[in-house]
Amino acid sequence: NAGVTQTPKFQVLKTGQSMTLQCAQDMNHEYMSWYRQDPGMGLRLIHYSVGAGITDQGEVPNGYNVSRSTTEDFPLRLLSAAPSQTSVYFCATSVNGGASPLHFGNGTRLTVT
Amino acid sequence: TQLLEQSPQFLSIQEGENLTVYCNSSSVFSSLQWYRQEPGEGPVLLVTVVTGGEVKKLKRLTFQFGDARKDSSLHITAAQPGDTGLYLCAGCGGSNYKLTFGKGTLLTVNP
Repeated sequence: NAGVTQTPKFQVLKTGQSMTLQCAQDMNHEYMSWYRQDPGMGLRLIHYSVGAGITDQGEVPNGYNVSRSTTEDFPLRLLSAAPSQTSVYFCATSVNGGASPLHFGNGTRLTVT
Repeated sequence: TQLLEQSPQFLSIQEGENLTVYCNSSSVFSSLQWYRQEPGEGPVLLVTVVTGGEVKKLKRLTFQFGDARKDSSLHITAAQPGDTGLYLCAGCGGSNYKLTFGKGTLLTVNP
């Protein structure tokens, strides 16, 4: 039982490049979310999904796109990377949103030069 | 936007000491969660508190939710090096789908 799997673990991009951060879960959780963690800023919600085909914006959505075509997968897309997007990205899932315990992946460390 | 303020931001203590970490807000939360995060890993849930005044114990860790559901504390008795980590509080308030995190308390317990 893998839980929440994030790939890749590390990534270096040049400004303007695009990439997709992958998140897969095998717990059949309806709720999936993406956070970024920056020093001194804590965890900030980027986008979330309450089920397949449904997504919504969090606190810091600009520069990121998401889609949810299956219950298991919730990819995060950076269309044109900027140095300000250098961060550690976490995918988190739960049975039913913030009232339920969040299960986190181990993160993707992204550097944009 | 609901904010959660954690204090202290950094805490370095010796093994065997007691400590308290605080999580405060001007907003009311329907529930509050505490997580611990170790380097290179994602946060892991320690406890959820939902009732004002609620106290929960997890071995040497005691969690309390304020009567007004605006604040919470985490008390660790006889800290051990294995307690080292980033402690995060997170609150569920106006939206069930947007969990607000505090900035965390980085605890170091020296042997």
